[in-house]
Order: sequence, then C-alpha cells, then structure tokens
Amino acid sequence: AQKITQTQPGMFVQEKEAVTLDCTYDTSDQSYGLFWYKQPSSGEMIFLIYQGSYDEQNATEGRYSLNFQKARKSANLVISASQLGDSAMYFCAMREGESNYQLIWGAGTKLIIKP
Amino acid sequence: DAGVIQSPRHEVTEMGQEVTLRCKPISGHDYLFWYRQTMMRGLELLIYFNNNVPIDDSGMPEDRFSAKMPNASFSTLKIQPSEPRDSAVYFCASSYRDRGRDTGELFFGEGSRLTVL
Repeated sequence: AQKITQTQPGMFVQEKEAVTLDCTYDTSDQSYGLFWYKQPSSGEMIFLIYQGSYDEQNATEGRYSLNFQKARKSANLVISASQLGDSAMYFCAMREGESNYQLIWGAGTKLIIKP
Repeated sequence: DAGVIQSPRHEVTEMGQEVTLRCKPISGHDYLFWYRQTMMRGLELLIYFNNNVPIDDSGMPEDRFSAKMPNASFSTLKIQPSEPRDSAVYFCASSYRDRGRDTGELFFGEGSRLTVL
C-alpha cells in the first residue's frame, strides 16, 4: 500500500483563487511528521510547511496552511490567494517515528496557475 | 548562510564512464542525504549519513553506486561504470536535529542532472 498518496496529478487554478492540494498518508506510528515541498521548473526542492502528529493546531506559514485531519489521515496543503509563481510541482512527504530522518514521498501534484 | 552546494549542475557522459557528483552540506548540519529523481520512480532515497557515518544505504541501486563522506563538509556519490538508466537528477540534502524544533526538515541542493548516453 502507498504510504503517501497524492491523487491529483495536475491542477489548473485561476490566479488569486485558493488552492487545496490533497495528501493522504498511511502509518501505524503514533509519532510522525508531514511535510510539503515545492519544486518549480528550475528544479530545486523548497520546504514549505511541516505538521507534527502531536501538533493540535494546523500549521501555517504565510500563504500556506496545512489542513491536518488526523482521523482521516489527510494533510492537505492550502495556498491562499494563488500567484503565478506558485506554478510548480508540489510533494507531500512523511517521516515516521521520533528519530527516523528518512522521508517517504508522494508522487507529486503539478499545479499551474492561470493568469 | 550558503545553502547546500552541489556540483556539477549538469553532466553528460557516455555509458561506461565514471561519474562523480559532489555535495557540500550546510555548515552545522549532521545529516546528509542523497536522492535520485526520475519521472518514472519519483524521488528515491539512495543513502544517508549521520555525523559522516553511512546509516542506511539500502536505496543504493547496485554495486556500481558508492557514496562517501570523508568529513562534515563534503560528500561524493560515484557511479562506475555508468549506464543510460542512471540518467536522473541527483539531489543532495542536509538536515540537523534541533531539540527545540525537531522537524527533520531537509534542505536540498539544486541537483545534478546526469545524462548517460
């Protein structure tokens, strides 16, 4: 079974609209972390946001927020007021356990913002 | 602070040649990771080091691949002999453990795009 599932291979969104990128995960660990990374066409991987499994509040970083629904095992990324520069691949990743530094990656969602 | 620095950014070589990719992690980071990214397989972890010691190399595809970290500021990934199926973008990433904020966030280099003809 896939540990990280991103069901949207691609999305088109109008500039200035909000975007939700889906991510579901599968783990039996009680302690885990969830990450979102952005990969623009230039290729670098840019960290966006982190949510720990014990965090009671949803993580926010500027225009990015993580809609963490633990019971449903989902960690959707919400981008408010999208901009043309948000066009990129977006990857969801999970770290299982307290001291495990390996990340399990989803297949990614290609987001295109239309002017 | 400088980010993770990788070289070369692009490498085109012929099948059978040796390829060496280099990485300088962020100063103070004690974890270093080598990833490979392809369209077919996505991001794959090849190997990671903690305090210069290889911890898990189970992702290294085969004996043609080797990685070293002789000191805290330098690592290499070597492919010998290279094959066309090794064509991919190879990323180096580093991380540190901060007890106050232990997210395990990875800081990536810009990647080395390898093409083996």
